[in-house]
Amino acid sequence: DTAVSQTPKYLVTQMGNDKSIKCEQNLGHDTMYWYKQDSKKFLKIMFSYNNKELIINETVPNRFSPKSPDKAHLNLHINSLELGDSAVYFCASSQGQNTDTQYFGPGTRLTVL
Amino acid sequence: AQKVTQAQTEISVVEKEDVTLDCVYETRDTTYYLFWYKQPPSGELVFLIRRNSFDEQNEISGRYSWNFQKSTSSFNFTITASQVVDSAVYFCALSEGHGQGAQKLVFGQGTRLTINP
Repeated sequence: DTAVSQTPKYLVTQMGNDKSIKCEQNLGHDTMYWYKQDSKKFLKIMFSYNNKELIINETVPNRFSPKSPDKAHLNLHINSLELGDSAVYFCASSQGQNTDTQYFGPGTRLTVL
Repeated sequence: AQKVTQAQTEISVVEKEDVTLDCVYETRDTTYYLFWYKQPPSGELVFLIRRNSFDEQNEISGRYSWNFQKSTSSFNFTITASQVVDSAVYFCALSEGHGQGAQKLVFGQGTRLTINP
């Protein structure tokens, strides 16, 4: 059973389009995250939700909007895609204490042409 | 601000050699957690270990071992008798507790390890 899953795995789209990436975890965790990994492999947190409530919101353009319909799901919607948005986006989850281990999904490689 | 430095960008060794990946961190917190993750060529991020700041005991898991030295703010990772399957990018990370059930992981730049047959 996949613990943290993301769809799609690959996403190729044109500049200016709007796209969404979905994340689901079946670990029963309360907290979920989105991270961005750039072309140099650098990983940086974008958002975190705890029990559907936004907890962490890093300096991310407001074209990025996370949505958590329930605590097992955290989706990422991106408006007006730009070339610089090309990256691998990772979803992660943790149990809910701020010391817990984060478990990552397989990543979604977004390519903006 | 918290910072993690992995000074070795790339390491290449021959199979069966031992290899150590360095990690140095900066934090003002007295309580913190350190992590290592592995990113194989397939791209996923695999959790390897979590260590809290109060536990300086070295840890061994099979061919993997970790050396945590608070005095030098280092959390180094050694692979003994390396194998081709160990080839991956390895990330060291420091948690920044945020409260309200969330934490930020601050990652190092990663070390690309290549094990040659």
